[in-house]
Amino acid sequence: EDQVTQSPEALRLQEGESSSLNCSYTVSGLRGLFWYRQDPGKGPEFLFTLYSAGEEKEKERLKATLTKKESFLHITAPKPEDSATYLCAGKGGSEKLVFGKGTKLTVNP
Amino acid sequence: DTEVTQTPKHLVMGMTNKKSLKCEQHMGHRAMYWYKQKAKKPPELMFVYSYEKLSINESVPSRFSPECPNSSLLNLHLHALQPEDSALYLCASSRSLIGLAASEQYFGPGTRLTVT
Repeated sequence: EDQVTQSPEALRLQEGESSSLNCSYTVSGLRGLFWYRQDPGKGPEFLFTLYSAGEEKEKERLKATLTKKESFLHITAPKPEDSATYLCAGKGGSEKLVFGKGTKLTVNP
Repeated sequence: DTEVTQTPKHLVMGMTNKKSLKCEQHMGHRAMYWYKQKAKKPPELMFVYSYEKLSINESVPSRFSPECPNSSLLNLHLHALQPEDSALYLCASSRSLIGLAASEQYFGPGTRLTVT
């Protein structure tokens, strides 16, 4: 069975303190690994798609990377507005996105 | 433009009511989805439409009835819901289900449903 596991469940950072979120996956025939950001009470906002090991994508303070077993979301010098829940999801041979449980990030000023 | 719109934003309904949730996208996407999300949990897939045909029904109770009138619109008809059905209902769309590389899904803002 396809599975996506995110760690840590929650992360508190000081403004400017860089860190990484982890997404471990076992998805048969991976066709895409996705990162989303979700603010409370709102729909997930698409951030990145990664397709193959070694791929990297960047957007402002965020950088996503992919290996054959894991993906990382690196946050450089975060700001309070980066506080949100970050969701990782994989898509393999089925038509379903398999979501992790998310990492709740809090950035204190 | 990567916008998916949903109406209403909030809905309170009794267990005997009939209501509908609406979703619209104008990105030319041919796959559309309904998800249910409970607090502190990831979205849970309910239905998938591909080229206006129902492709996946994740064993959802019949009190939820999806409809895809055309390639831009997706409805979710609600009838005789239970209090445990209270949740955030999310609509999403993607380019298609076809292809070696999966395309990203874009989510709407959701409808907060409360069943009393």
